[in-house]
Amino acid sequence: DAKTTQPTSMDCAEGRAANLPCNHSTISGNEYVYWYRQIHSQGPQYIIHGLKNNETNEMASLIITEDRKSSTLILPHATLRDTAVYYCIVRVRDDKIIFGKGTRLHILP
Amino acid sequence: GAVVSQHPSRVICKSGTSVKIECRSLDFQATTMFWYRQFPKKSLMLMATSNEGSKATYEQGVEKDKFLINHASLTLSTLTVTSAHPEDSSFYICSASNPLTGSKEKLFFGSGTQLSVL
Repeated sequence: DAKTTQPTSMDCAEGRAANLPCNHSTISGNEYVYWYRQIHSQGPQYIIHGLKNNETNEMASLIITEDRKSSTLILPHATLRDTAVYYCIVRVRDDKIIFGKGTRLHILP
Repeated sequence: GAVVSQHPSRVICKSGTSVKIECRSLDFQATTMFWYRQFPKKSLMLMATSNEGSKATYEQGVEKDKFLINHASLTLSTLTVTSAHPEDSSFYICSASNPLTGSKEKLFFGSGTQLSVL
């Protein structure tokens, strides 16, 4: 049973920042927030994860609210290759991944 | 980064035959591997957790006699779909856990296998 809620789909103009929200109001203290994406007919790709603090890597930034009940994944300059389904997942670090329905992100030229 | 290789990428078989899918961790030893299936436009559904040297743990509703999992070494897990039927046609994906990544991500996914049963 996925513990997150995400919008079904979103559009973003190419070159703009894509902000993908995720609600995880029942997150436990030892659970991390993970983001993966899946491009059509490929395996999921890890993007980023965090516990409490905001995180940034070469792909994206993760903003986690202070109460940890929601987070936002930010792709700073979206390109057409960022079109994918984005999954927000909460889990203990060594635990299995249960995928929810994710957000289908369309990058518009 | 860590690489998980899945083979074959695509397979077509006749109804009633068995199909084996391989999942290999190429540059790390994976004590745990996971198998998922995915129907078109749907999310990934966890089928089973495969632990090296022990029996796999299947999720509720997944037939263990239908989907045989073998994790005989630290770098290889196999999923065999036995007596395949058209309803078994799906995208099968494996992932492997690298216990030595420190604070970085531990789970890495294969590129998936598209199974079509005629």
